[in-house]
Amino acid sequence: QSALTQPASVSGSPGQSITISCTGTSSDVGGYNYVSWYQQHPGKAPKLMIYEVSNRPSGVSNRFSGSKSGNTASLTISGLQAEDEADYYCSSYTSSSTLNYVFGTGTKVTVL
Amino acid sequence: EVQLVESGGGLVQPGGSLRLSCAASGFTFSSYEMNWVRQAPGKGLEWVSYISSSGSTIYYADSVKGRFTISRDNAKNSLYLQMNSLRAEDTAVYYCARDLRYSYGFDYWGQGTLVTVSS
Repeated sequence: QSALTQPASVSGSPGQSITISCTGTSSDVGGYNYVSWYQQHPGKAPKLMIYEVSNRPSGVSNRFSGSKSGNTASLTISGLQAEDEADYYCSSYTSSSTLNYVFGTGTKVTVL
Repeated sequence: EVQLVESGGGLVQPGGSLRLSCAASGFTFSSYEMNWVRQAPGKGLEWVSYISSSGSTIYYADSVKGRFTISRDNAKNSLYLQMNSLRAEDTAVYYCARDLRYSYGFDYWGQGTLVTVSS
């Protein structure tokens, strides 16, 4: 089972919008609406930002939104802020018999 | 407030064993499925193992199958990971993570415990 594919880095200026893609297969991203996104600041534990493709947990800013088309999911951060600079990982439930979840390769978001 | 606190990490020689613990509080532990997720230094996240709320259903990543054992004690609100035959590539921060209720994903994470496998 390979990791989901994400761009290594994405950058944007404060106030801009950026989108991070997460590409998998029909056995994971494309087959289920169980894509989630996590934000991780250096030295900290990951934090859930989006679940079930587009749902935000309580307390997460509405500047974060998620979507999916086919085998590719996307996370959009609008109104980019300095505090959004972090690593972002997607994850999906998978139907692989030996694996429950697969993570993406991770994307470093830089606020210019 | 939901809290997950891992412990038990440390330095171990290749081929050695280690048992990680995760103490849960602030929620009804016995009602939630739980996972272990790891992150090698400077690398991405890797799902390691899952256990159902009752402990009756367990899954492992291929990379640890046959060497790691996940378990839980609902009376003690605790999750465990017994790691045997450790290899250098098992070096990572290990997080316990709570499964979303009635869905898939991880809604709460512990702060992690570092396991270093080296001679």
